[in-house]
Amino acid sequence: GIQVEQSPPDLILQEGANSTLRCNFSDSVNNLQWFHQNPWGQLINLFYIPSGTKQNGRLSATTVATERYSLLYISSSQTTDSGVYFCAVRAAGNKLTFGGGTRVLVKP
Amino acid sequence: DAGVTQSPTHLIKTRGQHVTLRCSPISGHKSVSWYQQVLGQGPQFIFQYYEKEERGRGNFPDRFSARQFPNYSSELNVNALLLGDSALYLCASRLLGTTDTQYFGPGTRLTVL
Repeated sequence: GIQVEQSPPDLILQEGANSTLRCNFSDSVNNLQWFHQNPWGQLINLFYIPSGTKQNGRLSATTVATERYSLLYISSSQTTDSGVYFCAVRAAGNKLTFGGGTRVLVKP
Repeated sequence: DAGVTQSPTHLIKTRGQHVTLRCSPISGHKSVSWYQQVLGQGPQFIFQYYEKEERGRGNFPDRFSARQFPNYSSELNVNALLLGDSALYLCASRLLGTTDTQYFGPGTRLTVL
């Protein structure tokens, strides 16, 4: 099956800093989503982005489908950005395959 | 509109027992999927149901089963619980044919003692 790798596994930021999270996948996909998981376990949709670039406030994402990677940018980070960020893809079939996540801690 | 809802929020069981978890999708969504997330890992796909039929199954033993009702809500059943079944169980719904975005519920945290 498709493999999804996220880097870095852990990230510690000072409030106000910018960061880039990466997601590599091993095969062509027809769906790619970025999620933020809060400390209570809720997965919050950030982007549906199988290709192209999107922006939502301080967050933006770019997927280069032909090169099989996606990037999530966090600008001017805030303590509320802390949590785990997951990339998930769908190739053939109906399941989302998740990466291992990037654990982000933003310090005040 | 209400998002995906799940019940119960927390559950403690002992080895060998049976558990039923419930999920109500977003209104209008006919596809429901179940995922298991063990501590420190990403969610793993268990089942997908669409129009009350199983449309996908992950690599889980037959102790895991699910069904979808006419109102599109769903149940996940796990028999003969093992310690390794302790996890956060997530339900997701999706409106097929549009942006194909999956929306997740808050999860049920299952502890098996």
